[in-house]
Formats: sequence, structure tokens, C-alpha cells
Amino acid sequence: DTAVSQTPKYLVTQMGNDKSIKCEQNLGHDTMYWYKQDSKKFLKIMFSYNNKELIINETVPNRFSPKSPDKAHLNLHINSLELGDSAVYFCASSQARGGGSYEQYFGPGTRLTVT
Amino acid sequence: GNSVTQMEGPVTLSEEAFLTINCTYTATGYPSLFWYVQYPGEGLQLLLKATKADDKGSNKGFEATYRKETTSFHLEKGSVQVSDSAVYFCALSGYNKLIFGAGTRLAVHP
Repeated sequence: DTAVSQTPKYLVTQMGNDKSIKCEQNLGHDTMYWYKQDSKKFLKIMFSYNNKELIINETVPNRFSPKSPDKAHLNLHINSLELGDSAVYFCASSQARGGGSYEQYFGPGTRLTVT
Repeated sequence: GNSVTQMEGPVTLSEEAFLTINCTYTATGYPSLFWYVQYPGEGLQLLLKATKADDKGSNKGFEATYRKETTSFHLEKGSVQVSDSAVYFCALSGYNKLIFGAGTRLAVHP
């Protein structure tokens, strides 16, 4: 009964390729997020969706395009991959918008390596 | 803007030692404060939280008190175990998002 799941867990690809990461939550939450964790473990939010509506876009390059087909899914598509995109990408969800005391539930992460 | 500052790691302790990981924050208004833990190869899990000044969050022997006067939310545990080895993140609730500190790695040796 995985609450927040991501696929794939590992992704190795070459510069210039296009790839997608999928995320699904079965918690009935309204809000979903994408975070990027760099090699020093620093975590930064990239996007947030509430009921399929984009509410946060943290100055992420437009090569990154999130898509939310329904409120249980939030996918991340990355065009023209660059070496600097190598990181661990975490999906998360919460009951409501993350401005209050609501806990965010995280997926296991997708380790992206661009060669 | 809102930000979180954590003590740099790694923190290396022997089993049963006392743990403190410092966390201070800068924020407008009255955010909620959180500690998340990331075990090796896993995603983040909520460890504890506090939603207003003087609240104490606690879980699994860990505690942290929301101190508005010192803008701090230090994590403590009286007796650490090897299984507590992980990266610990302090975070505050910003507008529609969590803002994380840089994380502190804890290594506990037998």
C-alpha cells in the first residue's frame, strides 16, 4: 500500500535526451509537489499543483514541464537533459496547500544521472 | 524571505549519546515548523512538527520546541541508537510550500 509512488527509481540517460518521471499518490490528497535534491542533499521545491492547477513554479527552466492529468498523478517531463539535471527528484503530496501545518508525504525518489 | 539554517554535519556520536541538532529560522508571520528524516536510499518522512510558539513536537524519543523568541526549533534526543543514522531536515511552512534547511547527517556508531 504505497502512499506516494514514483517510477522509475533510477534513470540513466545521455545529454540531450528527453525523459519523464511519473508520480502517483493514493492518499486522496489535493496537492502534489516536485522537489529536486542535489548531491549535497539540499532540497528545493520545483513545482506544486493543487487539484490539477499549477500554483508554484520556482523559476525552473522551461525544459522541465509538469503535467497533472488528475489530482492523484503528477508527472515531470524533462527536455534536452543537461549534466546539471543529475539529482534525486522527489514527488510529495499533502492534504491541502503546504502553507499550514499539513504534513507532506514523500515518494522514494528518482535518481536521475545524465552522462 | 523565509529561510532555515541548520548546523552543518556530519554529526558523529556513539550509541546512547545525547543529540542536539540546531535549527533557526527567518520567517514572516507564524509558520509551522517540522523535522523530517531521510534514511539512506529513501524519501523523507515526517519526524515531528509544531504549529505554534511554545509547542513541543515529539516522536520516537526525539523532541523539538518552537521558540519564537529565539526563532529556533532545535532537535534533541536523549539516547541515540545506530538506527537513528540518517539525514535530518528542519523545515518551515511557507506560502504553498515547505522551505528546508540544508540537512544534517547523523552517524551513530556502536
